[in-house]
Amino acid sequence: DTAVSQTPKYLVTQMGNDKSIKCEQNLGHDTMYWYKQDSKKFLKIMFSYNNKELIINETVPNRFSPKSPDKAHLNLHINSLELGDSAVYFCASSHLDSGKLFFGSGTQLSVL
Amino acid sequence: AQSVTQPDIHITVSEGASLELRCNYSYGATPYLFWYVQSPGQGLQLLLKYFSGDTLVQGIKGFEAEFKRSQSSFNLRKPSVHWSDAAEYFCAVRTPGNTPLVFGKGTRLSVIA
Repeated sequence: DTAVSQTPKYLVTQMGNDKSIKCEQNLGHDTMYWYKQDSKKFLKIMFSYNNKELIINETVPNRFSPKSPDKAHLNLHINSLELGDSAVYFCASSHLDSGKLFFGSGTQLSVL
Repeated sequence: AQSVTQPDIHITVSEGASLELRCNYSYGATPYLFWYVQSPGQGLQLLLKYFSGDTLVQGIKGFEAEFKRSQSSFNLRKPSVHWSDAAEYFCAVRTPGNTPLVFGKGTRLSVIA
């Protein structure tokens, strides 16, 4: 079983559309994250949830809205997609206060 | 705020040669230190971590890293590189408490025959 799974793996869409990326972890972790990896491979934290509560919210446009229905899920909804949103988005999970993050395999978002 | 510098963007080594990837961090105290590896099209996998204690830490796949407080460094090493080690390597730091993991910009490792 995949520990951290995110769907879809690829997402191609037009500017202005709204899209969602789903993430699920079966590791029993209490903390989940969204990271954005740009074309130069730079990884930057976007959000972190602990026990369904938002604990880290970096400077991210409010078009991005994470939602955590339960501890095992953290979805990312993006409104009014822009060209600059094209990137690979990684979901990850861990126990709080541990640096051992388990990553999903990423969602490559291409905005045309 | 803490930061991480990986000075080498791309390194090429011959199969069987030794490897050292550099990582320097900026933080007032000793942070938690990590090395992750990303194979093409994949997520990141933890190679090793340092929290405290012995400054030489062993990881998976034959990797090790040494924490040097005086140099604010946490360099990754492997005595003999295999072709399957070709990947992107990320050094990362975080401070104790509710803080995010901050990644360096990565070093791409190419392995030639």
